[in-house]
Amino acid sequence: EAGVAQSPRYKIIEKRQSVAFWCNPISGHATLYWYQQILGQGPKLLIQFQNNGVVDDSQLPKDRFSAERLKGVDSTLKIQPAKLEDSAVYLCASSPSGGFLDTQYFGPGTRLTVL
Amino acid sequence: QKEVEQNSGPLSVPEGAIASLNCTYSDRGSQSFFWYRQYSGKSPELIMFIYSNGDKEDGRFTAQLNKASQYVSLLIRDSQPSDSATYLCAVTGNQFYFGTGTSLTVIP
Repeated sequence: EAGVAQSPRYKIIEKRQSVAFWCNPISGHATLYWYQQILGQGPKLLIQFQNNGVVDDSQLPKDRFSAERLKGVDSTLKIQPAKLEDSAVYLCASSPSGGFLDTQYFGPGTRLTVL
Repeated sequence: QKEVEQNSGPLSVPEGAIASLNCTYSDRGSQSFFWYRQYSGKSPELIMFIYSNGDKEDGRFTAQLNKASQYVSLLIRDSQPSDSATYLCAVTGNQFYFGTGTSLTVIP
């Protein structure tokens, strides 16, 4: 079974530029999560999708971050414009149903550096 | 107060010893509790989860949950150098929260 795929793996941009990350979850998984992990910290949930609907985006900085999951499969997370403090690893995870006992499976992450 | 707090470490134990990792959470409505392991530069991977008070054992790992004290722990018996990693506690309630992690080093 293929795991969660993410691209790109690394991205370096200058502040005020835009960037987009892509995630393809495990086949059949209804729930998709985007996390931000700053060095030395735990992952912070940015947005959770159930199929193509948003379940939780309370910690997503909506003035600059946006995410979509068209057709309920793969997803894109965008930052526009980027700030220095956005430098982090962006992790995508998926789980079968989003229930409280669901196991989340993580992709390899995208390491973003904002200069 | 953070939603999930962990002993920050770093924690060092000799090979073969028991490593004890602790986590407290603030939301009394939290339903399930997860322990993830994260090697440096890698993504988190699930070790085990627990949702009922008491102990749950899986191989060398034991998770302990005390909802009255809002406390969950992970014990690693017979620690191995390959267990050296950051251990993340995660809690599901109204939202899903990770702690900041505890760095564990097992010394050969």
